[in-house]
Amino acid sequence: AQSVTQLDSQVPVFEEAPVELRCNYSSSVSVYLFWYVQYPNQGLQLLLKYLSGSTLVKGINGFEAEFNKSQTSFHLRKPSVHISDTAEYFCAVSKQGGSEKLVFGKGTKLTVNP
Amino acid sequence: NAGVTQTPKFQVLKTGQSMTLQCAQDMNHNSMYWYRQDPGMGLRLIYYSASEGTTDKGEVPNGYNVSRLNKREFSLRLESAAPSQTSVYFCASRSRTPNTEAFFGQGTRLTVV
Repeated sequence: AQSVTQLDSQVPVFEEAPVELRCNYSSSVSVYLFWYVQYPNQGLQLLLKYLSGSTLVKGINGFEAEFNKSQTSFHLRKPSVHISDTAEYFCAVSKQGGSEKLVFGKGTKLTVNP
Repeated sequence: NAGVTQTPKFQVLKTGQSMTLQCAQDMNHNSMYWYRQDPGMGLRLIYYSASEGTTDKGEVPNGYNVSRLNKREFSLRLESAAPSQTSVYFCASRSRTPNTEAFFGQGTRLTVV
């Protein structure tokens, strides 16, 4: 069965600093990978996704992620964060073909300080 | 375009009471999901349905039942609510192609006292 590990539960950074949120997955077959963001008291919205092709994926709000098959990772990065990026970020995985199961990590709370 | 609609938004139950959380999507998606979100635990999959007429257990199915009523609707039932089921519940839907991303409802905040 597929699973996701988000290595940091909380990441504090200063405004305009770069940030990396780490995600590792476990699956015996090819996968689709996703990053979602959740602002306080809201639902989840998609930041970016990896389906196939280029391993560097660009998303909304200046975020990008790199798929690394050999390290089974899909880390999320932003070169310069804003106060408004303060939110919880979730990595998710599903298998390509077969089961439609979609599994999420435990989330990383990003706090951007002035 | 409403997307994924969950009802109710808030609910307080007494231990032992039953209730059904409703979810409907208008995007013609095949797959639908129920998750619960608890602090520090992320989103845990309760049940999912890959297509009308099929349902499968997720990571934490105990204490819940689901019904995929038709392609649009996927309900979650708590037969005898327990305080451990206090949580925020999210419904999501997803198409197999072309995008495969999931769209989420706004959540139901359930408190069991």
